[in-house]
Amino acid sequence: AQKITQTQPGMFVQEKEAVTLDCTYDTSDQSYGLFWYKQPSSGEMIFLIYQGSYDEQNATEGRYSLNFQKARKSANLVISASQLGDSAMYFCAMIMNRDDKIIFGKGTRLHILP
Amino acid sequence: DTGVSQDPRHKITKRGQNVTFRCDPISEHNRLYWYRQTLGQGPEFLTYFQNEAQLEKSRLLSDRFSAERPKGSFSTLEIQRTEQGDSAMYLCASSLGTRDEKLFFGSGTQLSVL
Repeated sequence: AQKITQTQPGMFVQEKEAVTLDCTYDTSDQSYGLFWYKQPSSGEMIFLIYQGSYDEQNATEGRYSLNFQKARKSANLVISASQLGDSAMYFCAMIMNRDDKIIFGKGTRLHILP
Repeated sequence: DTGVSQDPRHKITKRGQNVTFRCDPISEHNRLYWYRQTLGQGPEFLTYFQNEAQLEKSRLLSDRFSAERPKGSFSTLEIQRTEQGDSAMYLCASSLGTRDEKLFFGSGTQLSVL
């Protein structure tokens, strides 16, 4: 069965530092995609970044990058130069390309300290 | 395009009552997903649709839960004989259904079962 694991329930990071949020996944499928979403205290789910399993380069979107290590089945999110507004819950998600089902991890709560 | 809308935003009900939630996806989106989220947890997959066809329903979901998307546009999620454990945020999301297409989420319906 497919599964997403986020082992860091909470993290505290000093403003302007880089932060890495861990995500490991389990699937026997060869074709899949990985997403990261941000959920601030307001509750909306905000798309951050996407990585396809066949993409050879790590995805980047502004201050966000995805450190994709396929052999380790990990898809860590890296936020460079963190800002106070980055304080939120962060969810890793996976889409199985054979059926487009999307599952989420339990999330990591990130606190950025001034 | 006004995004994904969900109605109602909040629902308070007594245990044993039936409730129905509505989701209107982005008009050209053929995929529609329902998730349940409790405080501090990740979205839990409930079910999803390709147009009007329901593709999968979570095995964790009891028979009290049913969802429809009769014309491939809006969807309804009904919970019969509600229990206190059903209290959660119910999120709807839609996508075009292409491989790297991100999910667009609604604001959710917060259900409280007394």
